[in-house]
Amino acid sequence: AQSVTQPDIHITVSEGASLELRCNYSYGATPYLFWYVQSPGQGLQLLLKYFSGDTLVQGIKGFEAEFKRSQSSFNLRKPSVHWSDAAEYFCAVVFTGTASKLTFGTGTRLQVTL
Amino acid sequence: SQTIHQWPATLVQPVGSPLSLECTVEGTSNPNLYWYRQAAGRGLQLLFYSVGIGQISSEVPQNLSASRPQDRQFILSSKKLLLSDSGFYLCAWSRDRPLDYTFGSGTRLTVV
Repeated sequence: AQSVTQPDIHITVSEGASLELRCNYSYGATPYLFWYVQSPGQGLQLLLKYFSGDTLVQGIKGFEAEFKRSQSSFNLRKPSVHWSDAAEYFCAVVFTGTASKLTFGTGTRLQVTL
Repeated sequence: SQTIHQWPATLVQPVGSPLSLECTVEGTSNPNLYWYRQAAGRGLQLLFYSVGIGQISSEVPQNLSASRPQDRQFILSSKKLLLSDSGFYLCAWSRDRPLDYTFGSGTRLTVV
């Protein structure tokens, strides 16, 4: 079955520390991959996306993600977290042939301590 | 430029009352349209999507329905709200080439 998983429900990091948020998918081919951020009470903002090509994708706000086909993963990273990065992060996937339906993971809530 | 409008921003409704949330898109034609719901502490669940006028696909059985009376208008409705319908509702549109999604600012619905 097609699915997307974010194993970490809640992560706490110190400001200035590095960050990695995990995302795994289950699919027989390469889907289209996205990372979104949602600040409290707000809508969704696209951080980055991967369709094909270079497996290391640069996004906004200093985020990057790496697609690893062998691990069916698309982890989000940031070398140095800022307090303003505290938010909920969603990995999302489009499985080809699904009318472009965007399927979301359950999200990871990031808390940043000063 | 393309924009998406979703209203109202917040809504408090009693159990058993009807619901109508509206979403409109500007600056594009024949978009794919979506309704998502985010329940408290949970991820985003796709409720309905539409690839054209009058074409609605439901992802999960529920107390809600959707309609697309015009190309760029997507409406989420209920005849009688349940407490479990509370949540944050997001409308979105997409185009296929290039594949891109735009989300509305959301409606926070509280059923009391």
